[in-house]
Amino acid sequence: LAKTTQPISMDSYEGQEVNITCSHNNIATNDYITWYQQFPSQGPRFIIQGYKTKVTNEVASLFIPADRKSSTLSLPRVSLSDTAVYYCLVGDRGSGNTPLVFGKGTRLSVIA
Amino acid sequence: DAGVTQSPTHLIKTRGQQVTLRCSPKSGHDTVSWYQQALGQGPQFIFQYYEEEERQRGNFPDRFSGHQFPNYSSELNVNALLLGDSALYLCASSFGTGGIKTQYFGPGTRLLVL
Repeated sequence: LAKTTQPISMDSYEGQEVNITCSHNNIATNDYITWYQQFPSQGPRFIIQGYKTKVTNEVASLFIPADRKSSTLSLPRVSLSDTAVYYCLVGDRGSGNTPLVFGKGTRLSVIA
Repeated sequence: DAGVTQSPTHLIKTRGQQVTLRCSPKSGHDTVSWYQQALGQGPQFIFQYYEEEERQRGNFPDRFSGHQFPNYSSELNVNALLLGDSALYLCASSFGTGGIKTQYFGPGTRLLVL
């Protein structure tokens, strides 16, 4: 499994765009990048997954450069309810029975 | 449609005791995985049950055991509790042959060992 490095914490004001970068220098050819969000007192929730270039859904965008050694989760116009821990996972595409390997994640605090 | 439910929400035990945590999967899901999340850490995979059998296991001692029932619900048992077992225990259910997005987590059971 590729090791990932994320900032421990980030602060942002409401309405700003937040970009959280994850480094994964030894990502393998078959690896995907997956991001999860965890609110206090809840389990993690799948946000987005990508392999290369850019992926966008209703929650976030994921930017992956050509060398795939890093990725950036972008949250547009954050609100207080986006305060959570965000985890970057790198591994195969995964299935319903793939054990998930979490690091410490990035604690995002959104301030009014 | 109820999501993944876990009981109890909180639990306090003393060292050496045994504990049983319960999980009801999301409707239509047949696979249950258990995770341990210590304070300030990401969740760590304990084991996974499918068709009432343990299919995969993480790096946890035999004090951690489980069970899956015919209705797909599951229990996590921890024997001889240690202070270090204090954590949030998360259950995730999934449709085993589905994509990674089918894995849904419950709210967890917070266990405190004194």
